[in-house]
Amino acid sequence: SQTIHQWPATLVQPVGSPLSLECTVEGTSNPNLYWYRQAAGRGLQLLFYSVGIGQISSEVPQNLSASRPQDRQFILSSKKLLLSDSGFYLCASALRDRGGEKLFFGSGTQLSVL
Amino acid sequence: GNSVTQMEGPVTLSEEAFLTINCTYTATGYPSLFWYVQYPGEGLQLLLKATKADDKGSNKGFEATYRKETTSFHLEKGSVQVSDSAVYFCALSGDDYKLSFGAGTTVTVRA
Repeated sequence: SQTIHQWPATLVQPVGSPLSLECTVEGTSNPNLYWYRQAAGRGLQLLFYSVGIGQISSEVPQNLSASRPQDRQFILSSKKLLLSDSGFYLCASALRDRGGEKLFFGSGTQLSVL
Repeated sequence: GNSVTQMEGPVTLSEEAFLTINCTYTATGYPSLFWYVQYPGEGLQLLLKATKADDKGSNKGFEATYRKETTSFHLEKGSVQVSDSAVYFCALSGDDYKLSFGAGTTVTVRA
């Protein structure tokens, strides 16, 4: 079965510092990959999705960027963090097979920008 | 575009009470519908899903029926337990797998 590794689990960063969150997927190839953010008191917001290596689509304008250097690696980055970047970040993977569509989430990263 | 509207919480219940969390959606085509659950200190996990009209998803005593005529996917459980305390998210997925989530409903069950 598919497994998503996401790290770190928690992160405290000062305003203006850079960010790099990494997500890797095991047990599948060529998945669609997603970065979501859950801000306090709000629902999950789709930030980026990728259908293949080097293919990134951004859903909302923001201070963040994403990259997919390898088929099963998805990285969320920022050059300078803002206070408003605080939140819970989830990496997700979607794959369709004979059993239908399957969706998997990583365990998430709690980011606090101070 | 696709969107999900979910009953706002928080919801506080006693054990063995009946739980309903309302969810309605707006979408083009024939989306798949999901309920996700996030237990305290844990990541998000799929609770149940339905992929076509009139399908009923069920898991752990929870049920939800895909109602195309009312564009709804309400979550229900007949008798909740303290262990059901969590945040519940209704979600929708179109052909491109992009998930649209509701705002989440925090449920607290008291012994």
